[in-house]
Parts: sequence; C-alpha cells; structure tokens
Amino acid sequence: GQNIDQPTEMTATEGAIVQINCTYQTSGFNGLFWYQQHAGEAPTFLSYNVLDGLEEKGRFSSFLSRSKGYSYLLLKELQMKDSASYLCAVPMDSNYQLIWGAGTKLIIKP
Amino acid sequence: NAGVTQTPKFRVLKTGQSMTLLCAQDMNHEYMYWYRQDPGMGLRLIHYSVGEGTTAKGEVPDGYNVSRLKKQNFLLGLESAAPSQTSVYFCASRGLGTIDNGEQFFGPGTRLTVL
Repeated sequence: GQNIDQPTEMTATEGAIVQINCTYQTSGFNGLFWYQQHAGEAPTFLSYNVLDGLEEKGRFSSFLSRSKGYSYLLLKELQMKDSASYLCAVPMDSNYQLIWGAGTKLIIKP
Repeated sequence: NAGVTQTPKFRVLKTGQSMTLLCAQDMNHEYMYWYRQDPGMGLRLIHYSVGEGTTAKGEVPDGYNVSRLKKQNFLLGLESAAPSQTSVYFCASRGLGTIDNGEQFFGPGTRLTVL
C-alpha cells in the first residue's frame, strides 16, 4: 500500500530551528511535495524534491532520502507567521493524483 | 489572474438538500481536483479530471458527482446532503508537463455544514 506519516503537532520557539519529518511508502517514486497551510486558508506550495539531498529556499530547506523513504522540512529563524500546518505529499503511480499526509501543526511560541 | 476561485465560500444545508460547488481556474490547466479536508485528516480526493469532458473517482467519491463541461470549470454536486459531508472542500488545478511542474494550485475553500 501507499502511506505517508508525519507527526501530528510540534511546538517551537520564535527564532529557533525546527525540523518536520515525513516518511512515505509508495510502490514507485515521482518526487515529494511540501505545502504550507495556515488555519482557515488553502494549502500553498513550498517545495518539491525528486533527487536525494537538501534544497534550500531562504529560511526553508527540504531534504530527501529516497533509499530511506524519508524527507524533512527545515525551518530556520522561526517567525510567528510560520505557525501553520505543513503537509507532505507524494504522487501516486498515475502521477495525476497526490497522496497527502495528515499534516503537522506547528505552534510557534514567543 | 484570479488563479483558482470557488463559490460559495460558506453554506449551510439541511439533510437531504442538494447543492453545487463551482470551481473556476484561469490558468488553462488540464487537471482539476476536488478534495475534502476534515480535522485531523489529510486532504482526501473526491473526484478529479484530466481534461475537459473527463472525470474520474478519487478516494472518497460516494455521495458526490462532478462535471467538467468546460476546461476552466469543475463542478461538484451533492444530490442529497448528509451530516457526514460537513467539511471544508478545496478545489485545485494543475498544468500539464513533467511532474516537477506538477504543483497543485488551490482555491480558497468552501466551508459546508449539513444539519
């Protein structure tokens, strides 16, 4: 079967660094997406990884290990506006559809 | 460009009533999707379309129907609403091309309550 696991909730302090993990099981692999979703709003695209390694985009970085079925999203210099849910998703074999994790709710404390 | 829009934004229905949710995109995207999102659960795919005139079932299609008569519009219908269909409904679209261009763009959501 195909499955994605993420922690349900994490708490971090403003200015700190936090790592949000995602493990996946798929019959094939066509990349991994990270989306951000603020409460009451739609998900918005953060990153896409298809090759192993770390990709950096400003304060946000995303890492992928295909052999381990593992990815993480690294958020640096946390700001209060980073309080949101972070969703991990992988394409199904057909590539038309995504399998979504339940999301990790990140709470930032002053 | 407006991107992906959804109407209505909020709706309250009584059990057994019907309604149609409208999704429109102005990005000339081929693929369109309807999801529902419930507390503690990930996005679940209801139906999707890979082009004008085509539709397919997703993970949770029961109780819903869809139509894609025009490329830019994707309609989601509830024929006889049930309380279990209380949820937030998101529409998304995606362009053709290789998977690394497969980012899905989401509408703002419709918050539906069925009493």
